[in-house]
Amino acid sequence: AQSVTQPDIHITVSEGASLELRCNYSYGATPYLFWYVQSPGQGLQLLLKYFSGDTLVQGIKGFEAEFKRSQSSFNLRKPSVHWSDAAEYFCAVATDTGRRALTFGSGTRLQVQP
Amino acid sequence: EAGVAQSPRYKIIEKRQSVAFWCNPISGHATLYWYQQILGQGPKLLIQFQNNGVVDDSQLPKDRFSAERLKGVDSTLKIQPAKLEDSAVYLCASSPTGRRNTEAFFGQGTRLTVV
Repeated sequence: AQSVTQPDIHITVSEGASLELRCNYSYGATPYLFWYVQSPGQGLQLLLKYFSGDTLVQGIKGFEAEFKRSQSSFNLRKPSVHWSDAAEYFCAVATDTGRRALTFGSGTRLQVQP
Repeated sequence: EAGVAQSPRYKIIEKRQSVAFWCNPISGHATLYWYQQILGQGPKLLIQFQNNGVVDDSQLPKDRFSAERLKGVDSTLKIQPAKLEDSAVYLCASSPTGRRNTEAFFGQGTRLTVV
């Protein structure tokens, strides 16, 4: 069965600073990888996804992620963080076969300092 | 297009009571998921439907949880009787079936508090 690890529970960055959120997955075959963001009291919004092809994926709100098969990682980056980026971020993996249900990591809470 | 609709948004019940949540997926989406998100954790799949058939309910506590998807559209998730540890946000999601390279779309969730 697949699994996802987000090693950082809580990260604080200053507004305008760069950001990298770590994600490692465990899955024996080709993974489908996702990053979702959740603001308080809200559902999950998709930031970006990787299915195949170019390993550097661009998403919404200026986010990008890079798939590194050799490291089983899919880290999320943003060059300059805005105060509105404060939220909970979840990495998720789905299998490339029929069911496609997502397995989520435990999340990273991002706090942005002025 | 309209998103995934869930109701109610919030529910407070006493332990041992029953509760039901409703989900209306995006029109045309054949696959529907229910996830449980306990505070401080990532969402965990409870059950997955394709049309009105169950694909995966291996993590559904069947002694107290039940779910149905009549006519392959709307779905309800029921808890009876509720326990304190059922306090969580219950998220519904849907996705198209038969289309490659697509993701699940989530509703805003129902926050359940069991007291």
